[in-house]
Amino acid sequence: AQSVTQLDSHVSVSEGTPVLLRCNYSSSYSPSLFWYVQHPNKGLQLLLKYTSAATLVKGINGFEAEFKKSETSFHLTKPSAHMSDAAEYFCVVSDVQGNLIFGKGTKLSVKP
Amino acid sequence: DAGITQSPRYKITETGRQVTLMCHQTWSHSYMFWYRQDLGHGLRLIYYSAAADITDKGEVPDGYVVSRSKTENFPLTLESATRSQTSVYFCASSDWMFTGYTFGSGTRLTVV
Repeated sequence: AQSVTQLDSHVSVSEGTPVLLRCNYSSSYSPSLFWYVQHPNKGLQLLLKYTSAATLVKGINGFEAEFKKSETSFHLTKPSAHMSDAAEYFCVVSDVQGNLIFGKGTKLSVKP
Repeated sequence: DAGITQSPRYKITETGRQVTLMCHQTWSHSYMFWYRQDLGHGLRLIYYSAAADITDKGEVPDGYVVSRSKTENFPLTLESATRSQTSVYFCASSDWMFTGYTFGSGTRLTVV
C-alpha cells in the first residue's frame, strides 16, 4: 500500500531564508507524487507534481522538489521564504486506483 | 465558470439529521472523490467514483452514502449526522489518466 510521511508537523523560518519541508513515501511501484499548499481557510492548490520524468521538479512560486528513489524521499524546497508562503503543505502520493493519499501536513510559519 | 463547485460553503446541522453536500464539475472528468480534512489527519478519502454509477469506498466511508447518476455530479450524504462528522469536506475530480486533480473550495460542516 502507498503512504506518505511528513517528517515535521511544523516548520518555522525567517523571511529570506531557505525552506525545507520533508516527505518520505512508501510505494510498491513507481509513484506519482505531489505537493499541495493550503492557505488559511482556503482550498488546495497544486504546487508541483512528479510523474517519472525529471527527478527535479519545478513548481509555482519558486518551489521545487527532488525525487530520490534510493531514499524514498520527495522533499520540498525554496531558496528564500516569503511571508506569503506561510501555509500548510501536503505531500501526496497516488495509489493504483488514482486515489490521492495525503500526508498529515506541515504548517510553515514565516517570521519577519 | 468552468471548474468544480461545492455547495454549501458552510453548514450547521443537528445530530441525527440527514445532510447532503453537493459537488459539480464541468471538466467532464471520469473520476470524482470526496475527502474530509481534520486537524492532525490531513485529508482522508471517504468515497470515490470512476464513472457514472460506479462508486467505491475509501479509507473512512462509515456513515456516508454517495451516488453518481450523472458524470458531473457527485453528492455526499450523511444519513444521520454525528458530531464526529464535523469536518471540512473537499470534493475533487480527475481525468482517467490522473494527469491533474482539481479540488473544490470545500464545505465546512458543523454537527451540533
